[in-house]
Amino acid sequence: AQSVSQHNHHVILSEAASLELGCNYSYGGTVNLFWYVQYPGQHLQLLLKYFSGDPLVKGIKGFEAEFIKSKFSFNLRKPSVQWSDTAEYFCAVTDNYGQNFVFGPGTRLSVLP
Amino acid sequence: GAGVSQTPSNKVTEKGKYVELRCDPISGHTALYWYRQSLGQGPEFLIYFQGTGAADDSGLPNDRFFAVRPEGSVSTLKIQRTERGDSAVYLCASSLDGYNSPLHFGNGTRLTVT
Repeated sequence: AQSVSQHNHHVILSEAASLELGCNYSYGGTVNLFWYVQYPGQHLQLLLKYFSGDPLVKGIKGFEAEFIKSKFSFNLRKPSVQWSDTAEYFCAVTDNYGQNFVFGPGTRLSVLP
Repeated sequence: GAGVSQTPSNKVTEKGKYVELRCDPISGHTALYWYRQSLGQGPEFLIYFQGTGAADDSGLPNDRFFAVRPEGSVSTLKIQRTERGDSAVYLCASSLDGYNSPLHFGNGTRLTVT
């Protein structure tokens, strides 16, 4: 069975700091990877996704993530965070059939103005 | 509709009662998912529908939980003999075809069992 771990439970940064949130998954086969974001009081929204091809994927709002197959990782990055990035971030994985999304426990990001 | 709609947004019930939670997916989306999210945790998979049929119900915790999607659109999650441990936010999501299409989530129903 697939599982997803996210290293950081709560990250606190000042505006303009760089961000990297860790995500590791356990699954031996082909995977598809996603990052979702949940802003305060809002529903989960897709930030970016990786299916195949270039392992560096770019998403909305300046976020990017890099798939490193050998490390089973899909870390999320942003060079300069803003106060409006304060949210909870969830990494998710599906198998190649893409039907069963397994989510990580989430990382809460707080950006101080 | 514009997005996935879930009703009610909040539900408080007494232990032992029966509850129904409704999900109205995005029009044209054939795949529908139910997840449960407890405080400080990520969404936990419950059940996945492809059209009218439950393609995967392996996440339902026990036989008190049941979900239907009779016409391949609206879905209802039903919980019998509720327990305090059932308290959580129940999330519904839909996707275009269920094959790597991204999930579109509703705002969830916050269920509190007293």
